[in-house]
Amino acid sequence: QSVLTQPPSASGTPGQRVIISCSGSTSNIGARDVNWYQQSPGAAPQLLIRSNNQRPSGVPDRFSGSKSGTSASLTVSGLQSEDEADYYCATWDESLSAWVFGGGTKLTVL
Amino acid sequence: EVQLVASGGGLVQPGGSLKLSCATSGFTFSGSTVHWVRQASGKGLEWVGRIRTKGTTAYGLSVKGRFIVSRDDSKNVAYLEMNSLKIEDTAVYYCLREMDVWGQGTTVTVSS
Repeated sequence: QSVLTQPPSASGTPGQRVIISCSGSTSNIGARDVNWYQQSPGAAPQLLIRSNNQRPSGVPDRFSGSKSGTSASLTVSGLQSEDEADYYCATWDESLSAWVFGGGTKLTVL
Repeated sequence: EVQLVASGGGLVQPGGSLKLSCATSGFTFSGSTVHWVRQASGKGLEWVGRIRTKGTTAYGLSVKGRFIVSRDDSKNVAYLEMNSLKIEDTAVYYCLREMDVWGQGTTVTVSS
């Protein structure tokens, strides 16, 4: 299983707010910044949130990130059909000396 | 525009070797860290390794001792040399700049 723990699935209706969690430990999330990636079906992943809460240019402000202690979360506000994708959290693990990913959360827009 | 194009994937037998390339453009390659991440079909993302500027490397546990990341700053290209390949190394391999910009991926299949 993955070093970072994410729920395997999440869902919401258009316009709703959905929160995806990412749980780690003091050697990873507790010590380092967290990135979030979005992977639409058949496409390569792309950076959605860097350094816990920074949106790269071009990412809608409906997406936001936060971190507290050894957990991080991604919030999607005003859910849209095009948000249906897989979402992954990632960070550096100081004990493993490696980047680690969450197992991914499949977001379904009902 | 920042671009990374991975190539060199293919079919290889267990125990064999393969070398992937990552051709880059649109950014200062010599000043950037390049990462490799893989994804088995229907599975999640797994970090494979990285090479920093000046050549410092780090690897994921499942590939340490078998895979080697290198770079040629004169050509703006990074490489992933994969040795002693196992069936479980079958995946799409992506190269990334600084864990932010992803290339399109190349498929490696390890099978007899």
